[in-house]
Amino acid sequence: NAGVTQTPKFQVLKTGQSMTLQCAQDMNHEYMSWYRQDPGMGLRLIHYSVGAGITDQGEVPNGYNVSRSTTEDFPLRLLSAAPSQTSVYFCASSFRVRRGKLFFGSGTQLSVL
Amino acid sequence: DQQVKQNSPSLSVQEGRISILNCDYTNSMFDYFLWYKKYPAEGPTFLISISSIKDKNEDGRFTVFLNKSAKHLSLHIVPSQPGDSAVYFCAASYSRLTQGGSEKLVFGKGTKLTVNP
Repeated sequence: NAGVTQTPKFQVLKTGQSMTLQCAQDMNHEYMSWYRQDPGMGLRLIHYSVGAGITDQGEVPNGYNVSRSTTEDFPLRLLSAAPSQTSVYFCASSFRVRRGKLFFGSGTQLSVL
Repeated sequence: DQQVKQNSPSLSVQEGRISILNCDYTNSMFDYFLWYKKYPAEGPTFLISISSIKDKNEDGRFTVFLNKSAKHLSLHIVPSQPGDSAVYFCAASYSRLTQGGSEKLVFGKGTKLTVNP
């Protein structure tokens, strides 16, 4: 059982470039979300989804887009990368009835130069 | 405004002793609290949780205490082991009655625990 799989593990971008961080889960979880972790800032919610076709904004959504066309996949798109988006990104999923008990992927380290 | 606060960035304890990690929150709507553990280069993993209708929850060496009047919770690890060395995140949530009852999880900044042999 793979759990939550994130790709790539590392990425370097130039300012203004766009890219998509991939997230897939094989646990049939309805709820999926994206967090970013910055030094001294903890984990901050970017976007989340409660099911296919339904997404909503979290605490820090600016500069990011998401879509949920299937239960399994929840990609995060950076439209025009900025140095402020240098961070570690975590995807997480859960059953909606299991409050807060998120399963996290291993993260994507993103550097924007 | 930081809704979940972990005021101690780091904590160091001796193996076999008790580790106490603290967390304060400001939003009285929070009704569910969790602790996550994170090793370097890995994602956080769920450790233990507590509902606001309880004041204590135990799971093996880990106990979480909730003081609603003080808006404070703590994680006790007894006895501490070197393998417990990690960053511990406190998190809180409340159900939002929109889009089918989705909820948001708010994390603290984390406390790095080091257990010395």
